[in-house]
Amino acid sequence: AQSVTQPDIHITVSEGASLELRCNYSYGATPYLFWYVQSPGQGLQLLLKYFSGDTLVQGIKGFEAEFKRSQSSFNLRKPSVHWSDAAEYFCAVLPFSGGYNKLIFGAGTRLAVHP
Amino acid sequence: DAGVTQSPTHLIKTRGQQVTLRCSPKSGHDTVSWYQQALGQGPQFIFQYYEEEERQRGNFPDRFSGHQFPNYSSELNVNALLLGDSALYLCASSDDAGGDTDTQYFGPGTRLTVL
Repeated sequence: AQSVTQPDIHITVSEGASLELRCNYSYGATPYLFWYVQSPGQGLQLLLKYFSGDTLVQGIKGFEAEFKRSQSSFNLRKPSVHWSDAAEYFCAVLPFSGGYNKLIFGAGTRLAVHP
Repeated sequence: DAGVTQSPTHLIKTRGQQVTLRCSPKSGHDTVSWYQQALGQGPQFIFQYYEEEERQRGNFPDRFSGHQFPNYSSELNVNALLLGDSALYLCASSDDAGGDTDTQYFGPGTRLTVL
């Protein structure tokens, strides 16, 4: 069955430090891949997505993610974290394309930022 | 450009009652998906509506039903509420006809508490 694993439940970084959030997926083919962010009590905001092509994708708020087929990974990175980045981050997989799009989410990684 | 909107924001019900949640998709979008996010977990797919029909369903009982209207807005109905139905219910929309069918945009959610 398709699944998404985010190994880190909680991460704390200092403001200005770099960040990497891990995501691994289990799927036979290369799925479409997404990162969403959720602030407390809010819905999900799309940060970036990967469908095909360049394996390094740029998103909003200075985030980027790299798709590595050999590792079935799609890790999210940011070179310098701001206090406003504190939130929960979800990696998601879309096993099918062209409609019938049922996103499968990981359990999330909660990011705390120390001043 | 109006994003996805949901109502109400919060709702408190007692066991056995019925509830209806509402969603208006992003302007220009024709497909609506519903997700349930229990506390501390990633969202779980409930079902998806397109052209007023349910075309895909996740692993949820028949107590969960929905509807899509000609203007693409949607309702989620849950009957015979259980304590375990307490969650954040998220609506997402996508554009099947316009080429961005695989990207889902989420609303702020409805927080349902069942007592």
